[in-house]
Amino acid sequence: GEDVEQSLFLSVREGDSSVINCTYTDSSSTYLYWYKQEPGAGLQLLTYIFSNMDMKQDQRLTVLLNKKDKHLSLRIADTQTGDSAIYFCAVSASKIIFGSGTRLSIRP
Amino acid sequence: KAGVTQTPRYLIKTRGQQVTLSCSPISGHRSVSWYQQTPGQGLQFLFEYFSETQRNKGNFPGRFSGRQFSNSRSEMNVSTLELGDSALYLCASSLAPTIGQGNSPLHFGNGTRLTVT
Repeated sequence: GEDVEQSLFLSVREGDSSVINCTYTDSSSTYLYWYKQEPGAGLQLLTYIFSNMDMKQDQRLTVLLNKKDKHLSLRIADTQTGDSAIYFCAVSASKIIFGSGTRLSIRP
Repeated sequence: KAGVTQTPRYLIKTRGQQVTLSCSPISGHRSVSWYQQTPGQGLQFLFEYFSETQRNKGNFPGRFSGRQFSNSRSEMNVSTLELGDSALYLCASSLAPTIGQGNSPLHFGNGTRLTVT
């Protein structure tokens, strides 16, 4: 069945770039989303990309999509302590499937 | 524009009781979906409503039910609570009649944290 996979943890130094990766199985996925969840809160939509795009940039966020490999990534430039959160990748085709989330921690 | 509002934020119940959670979607959104989030199972889809009709249902027992009202507000009910029902319950709204349709992302509330003792 459809699946979305992410690594569970990522630790980066403050000021460095963070790259969070996601792979999915459904090649008919049309929209691909990134959500951020801070402690005690719901999921906040960060950005999304349509499947006919390769890249989308939004301030410090860059989304890259490799449709052939079914691979999506989120790059956060100049990572700050406020970026500490769980990041969820989600893909939509006939329904929306979420990954299990990547916990991003920031080292001083 | 106000976001998705979920009430209450926290609930503590004992096994065997029942609970009702409420969700008010973003104004103009007619689609509401519910998710259960636990550390072990991640985000699991419960059900989805559009125009007071259940469009889709996840793989949960019949103790979990929901409904949507004519003003798009939604409630979910869990009867005969079990310890394993302890979780964060998230509600999301979107413009599309069916989640995943078109460019209509889900917008989430802050959730209701349910603890069953």
